[in-house]
Amino acid sequence: NAGVMQNPRHLVRRRGQEARLRCSPMKGHSHVYWYRQLPEEGLKFMVYLQKENIIDESGMPKERFSAEFPKEGPSILRIQQVVRGDSAAYFCASSSLPAEMNTEAFFGQGTRLTVV
Amino acid sequence: KQEVTQIPAALSVPEGENLVLNCSFTDSAIYNLQWFRQDPGKGLTSLLLIQSSQREQTSGRLNASLDKSSGRSTLYIAASQPGDSATYLCAVRPEDSNYQLIWGAGTKLIIKP
Repeated sequence: NAGVMQNPRHLVRRRGQEARLRCSPMKGHSHVYWYRQLPEEGLKFMVYLQKENIIDESGMPKERFSAEFPKEGPSILRIQQVVRGDSAAYFCASSSLPAEMNTEAFFGQGTRLTVV
Repeated sequence: KQEVTQIPAALSVPEGENLVLNCSFTDSAIYNLQWFRQDPGKGLTSLLLIQSSQREQTSGRLNASLDKSSGRSTLYIAASQPGDSATYLCAVRPEDSNYQLIWGAGTKLIIKP
């Protein structure tokens, strides 16, 4: 049973381009969480998704950022028109039970986005 | 608003020493607290998870304690090894938003051979 898989591991984009980050949860997990880690800072919650539903996107910037978790395939975090301030490590976590059941989430290796 | 602080930000000790990493949080209303390890350029490895009803958890040379009322947790590493060098992060799961983890900025630990 593979863990949470994120790809790519490293992504370089020029300012103004789009970045797509993918997260495949652990087998049997239907709850996905995205976090962002800016340099020298702790992780910050971005969004919580279940299959085909966004449960809480209170941590997502209002513009340029979107997330989805379709019925089939990985969860996608999409950043449009990237700026240098978007450079960060983006981590995905998944869990088997709804978050309100206080279940443990398992983290992926992260995608390191560099905007040049 | 829950805030998590880790002090010191960096720590360097000789191999073989026992050491303690500190984590404090401002709101005691938490479900659990978790310690993670992050290696440079790599992902997060969960080390120990302590539920709010527990006082401590142990795994090998690691022992984590939780004093919820005072808003403190410590991670004790016995007989440190160079392979323990990494950044150690603590995160709490607040009761009022139980799917969001609130993270400290981490302690960067270097074990000198």
